[in-house]
Amino acid sequence: KAGVTQTPRYLIKTRGQQVTLSCSPISGHRSVSWYQQTPGQGLQFLFEYFSETQRNKGNFPGRFSGRQFSNSRSEMNVSTLELGDSALYLCASSFAGPSYGYTFGSGTRLTVV
Amino acid sequence: AQTVTQSQPEMSVQEAETVTLSCTYDTSESDYYLFWYKQPPSRQMILVIRQEAYKQQNATENRFSVNFQKAAKSFSLKISDSQLGDAAMYFCAYRAPGGRDDKIIFGKGTRLHILP
Repeated sequence: KAGVTQTPRYLIKTRGQQVTLSCSPISGHRSVSWYQQTPGQGLQFLFEYFSETQRNKGNFPGRFSGRQFSNSRSEMNVSTLELGDSALYLCASSFAGPSYGYTFGSGTRLTVV
Repeated sequence: AQTVTQSQPEMSVQEAETVTLSCTYDTSESDYYLFWYKQPPSRQMILVIRQEAYKQQNATENRFSVNFQKAAKSFSLKISDSQLGDAAMYFCAYRAPGGRDDKIIFGKGTRLHILP
């Protein structure tokens, strides 16, 4: 079956712009989580959506937002981009319940110039 | 707050040898889940092995096994018969029981080099 699909794979944006990243989870997975990965900070949790509701949120500024659609697909948006937002953004999906690990997508590499 | 610590930023091992990656975590929960993920240069995070805290038996997946010491809050990964394809970044991860704070917390990772 198809894995977690993230688009686009690479993105270059200018400071001050906004960006939208997309994630299609594995069929049947209703939980979608987003992580930011940087060499210095490692993997940092952004937010988690379940059945179109944000269930959990990490410590990121309000410029970072997300949403989930009825088909479980999710998008995350970053407004007013800063150089420090350059990172690999990973989406992960799972079945509901903590006993399941996540299945990750290949990520979107965002570069802000 | 829960934390996950991987004290070895990098490790090297000779092909076909055995290597152990360390991980410690901090939690006040009694029931939780622990994972090891592998991230090769392709960037795809791959679940290697999973351990449920209420199970005393250590998890094993082919050449990968864990040493889970609940009292010590230690969760190390042993890779036997190391192969070139095992070269990757390895992340230890913790997930609490469900609820509003349900998320996976990752350690900073250990980069594993396999020497031919």
